[in-house]
Amino acid sequence: EAGVAQSPRYKIIEKRQSVAFWCNPISGHATLYWYQQILGQGPKLLIQFQNNGVVDDSQLPKDRFSAERLKGVDSTLKIQPAKLEDSAVYLCASSLELAGGFGDEQFFGPGTRLTVL
Amino acid sequence: GDSVTQMEGPVTLSEEAFLTINCTYTATGYPSLFWYVQYPGEGLQLLLKATKADDKGSNKGFEATYRKETTSFHLEKGSVQVSDSAVYFCALSDRTYKYIFGTGTRLKVLA
Repeated sequence: EAGVAQSPRYKIIEKRQSVAFWCNPISGHATLYWYQQILGQGPKLLIQFQNNGVVDDSQLPKDRFSAERLKGVDSTLKIQPAKLEDSAVYLCASSLELAGGFGDEQFFGPGTRLTVL
Repeated sequence: GDSVTQMEGPVTLSEEAFLTINCTYTATGYPSLFWYVQYPGEGLQLLLKATKADDKGSNKGFEATYRKETTSFHLEKGSVQVSDSAVYFCALSDRTYKYIFGTGTRLKVLA
């Protein structure tokens, strides 16, 4: 079974530029998550999709971050314009159903390491 | 709000030593608890989980018991190997369907 795919693996940009990340979840997984992991910290949830719809985006900085999940499969996360503090690893994860209370496992991709100069 | 606190690293052990990584949580209700592991250059992967009080999760020689009275989920292994060197994350998932992760504990095992 193929895992969660992400691209690119690394990206270096200047501040105020824009950047986009792509995620392809495991086939059949209804729920998709984007996390931000700053060096030395645990992953922080940015946005959570159930099929096409957004379940939770309360921690997404909506003035600069946007995300979409087309046809309930692939997803893109965009940052425009980027700031220095956006330097982090961006992780995509998927699960069969909504996680929480039932022990559903999340499957993580390898992440995209973003450096903003 | 809900939170997870785990011991600071790095933890450095000799091969075959006993490992404990402490994790405590704050949550309303009865969350599910998880340990995820991140090996160098790889993504996070589930190590073990427990979904109710007194449950014991186990995998690859690692164990953790869901202790509601002490709100803890400490990770243990009786004899670590060099291949266990990684970053370990404690996490909870509550009824709002969010995952909350601890800051991670880096383990280094020396031959």
